[in-house]
Amino acid sequence: ETGVTQTPRHLVMGMTNKKSLKCEQHLGHNAMYWYKQSAKKPLELMFVYNFKEQTENNSVPSRFSPECPNSSHLFLHLHTLQPEDSALYLCASRLGEGNQPQHFGDGTRLSIL
Amino acid sequence: GENVEQHPSTLSVQEGDSAVIKCTYSDSASNYFPWYKQELGKGPQLIIDIRSNVGEKKDQRIAVTLNKTAKHFSLHITETQPEDSAVYFCAANNNNDMRFGAGTRLTVKP
Repeated sequence: ETGVTQTPRHLVMGMTNKKSLKCEQHLGHNAMYWYKQSAKKPLELMFVYNFKEQTENNSVPSRFSPECPNSSHLFLHLHTLQPEDSALYLCASRLGEGNQPQHFGDGTRLSIL
Repeated sequence: GENVEQHPSTLSVQEGDSAVIKCTYSDSASNYFPWYKQELGKGPQLIIDIRSNVGEKKDQRIAVTLNKTAKHFSLHITETQPEDSAVYFCAANNNNDMRFGAGTRLTVKP
């Protein structure tokens, strides 16, 4: 039990589909993150939210659209994705600012056909 | 911005031997260094961390050392066991900016 829950765990979609990834944490954390993890590459930070406000968008294409309705929930809306978007998408949360660890969910394995 | 390099990318050891993974960072303002273990089908899990005001920290078979002058830090696993097999990530943090290494795939052979 990581404290950070991601759904679905696996998702296969066509390039014209629209889907959403969900992340939920009940750790009382106020910062939430989306990362992309591809084989043999470092973790790529996509978006950062602090107290529901987006504080970082790391040059992510507009076909990825994040939403943070409250401090416990984070979504990643997907539309017209490309095959190179196939990867493991990880959500993380953190308490406060400064030197605190991020807590990761188990990710959503996304495959684009 | 911060740049974290991690070596080696793969490491294979015999059960009972020690394993060492090394990371370097570029931003001298970084002051928090967590290590994560990622098993197959799971997300990264924090296993140990160190702050810049200490040079070494140990938790059972796992230890981390930090050399701020040289800007490098290392993970040491002693008496390795097959269940230590996983991908390990180092990270360097400066306030809200955390950067990760590319990972080391550790295989412990029984």
